[in-house]
Parts: sequence; C-alpha cells; structure tokens
Amino acid sequence: NAGVTQTPKFRVLKTGQSMTLLCAQDMNHEYMYWYRQDPGMGLRLIHYSVGEGTTAKGEVPDGYNVSRLKKQNFLLGLESAAPSQTSVYFCASDRLAGEGDEQFFGPGTRLTVL
Amino acid sequence: AQSVTQPDIHITVSEGASLELRCNYSYGATPYLFWYVQSPGQGLQLLLKYFSGDTLVQGIKGFEAEFKRSQSSFNLRKPSVHWSDAAEYFCAVGGISSASKIIFGSGTRLSIRP
Repeated sequence: NAGVTQTPKFRVLKTGQSMTLLCAQDMNHEYMYWYRQDPGMGLRLIHYSVGEGTTAKGEVPDGYNVSRLKKQNFLLGLESAAPSQTSVYFCASDRLAGEGDEQFFGPGTRLTVL
Repeated sequence: AQSVTQPDIHITVSEGASLELRCNYSYGATPYLFWYVQSPGQGLQLLLKYFSGDTLVQGIKGFEAEFKRSQSSFNLRKPSVHWSDAAEYFCAVGGISSASKIIFGSGTRLSIRP
C-alpha cells in the first residue's frame, strides 16, 4: 500500500510555463484534495473532488485547473505559471469528507516559479 | 464563519519538558477536530482526532488533546517531549456534511532545546 503519492517532488518553472502535478492514491478513496502550503498560512484548499469525474473549487482556485478522470488520480494543472504560485503543493484523500475521517497526505511537491 | 486559530507561531521547549499547543476554533455545529504533525520535508500525519465521547483524546506518539466546548479549544499536550517531536503541528476542524472540508490552522512550529 503506497498510500498517496505525488509526482514530481521538485520542479522549477519559468513564468508563463505550464505543468501538471499528478496525485495517485491506492486506498479507493472517494474524496481527493489539492492544497498549497505557504509560510505562516497553513494549508489552503485549491480544488477538490468528491468522486471520479467531479471537481470543485476550494479557497484559492485561481490560476489552477484540475481533473479526476480516474478515481485513483487527481491532476493539478498550472496553465501559465506565475511567481505567486511558488509553494509546496500537497495532495490528500479520504473516504468521506467530514464524518470524522482523516485525510491522508502525499509527501508534497515543491514548486518554484522564476 | 468557520476558522481555526493557532496563536503560537513558534514554540521552543527543552527536551523532557511538558508541552501544550493551543488551538481555538469557530464552527457553527458540532465539529470534528484534528491534530496533524508535519516533519520537515514530509506530508502531514494524523496525531489524533475528536468527534464525540470522552473529551480527552489519546493519539499516537504519546500526544493527547482535550476538547473544551465552553472555550472552543482543542489544545494538544505531551507530558515529556523528545527531540524527535520537533516538527510543525496543525490543528484542523471539519464537520458533518457531504460538502464539508477540513479547515487547517496556520500551524505551530515546535523546536526542542537539547
């Protein structure tokens, strides 16, 4: 059981470049989330998904897009990267949002936009 | 509005000393409450959670937390810290709803003095 995995672990982009972050989970979880973590701000929810084929906006969705074509995968895309998107990105999953279920986190992707 | 406040940004304690990390929440209904720990360069790991029953909750690694409804608090405690406890700690609140999500506090960084 690998849990939640994220690819890549590190990435450096130039302003205006695009990239996709991949999150995969092998726990058959329905819910998946993308967060960004910035110093002093905790984790902020970017987008989330309540099941295959569904996505929804979180607290800070601007500049990002997501897709959930398969239940086990949740992709986060940056179409035109900006320095403000320099951050550490975490993916998480759980069986059922709320209901006291814990979220399981991936190891993170550190993104730098120059 | 739902929110979580961790008033201490950074705390330093001596190894072997007791620890208390503060967490206050604002939530319109009965909350689910969580404490997560993040070691350097890692994702978040659940320490403990509360959603009903005994207000004193035991978690992993010797941590415990007490839910105090009258104070809207969920403080994390450990009687004797170890150098390996140095990490960032996040309090989080969630609720019962298919659309609910976990809201994280901004985190408290714990340093251990040898």
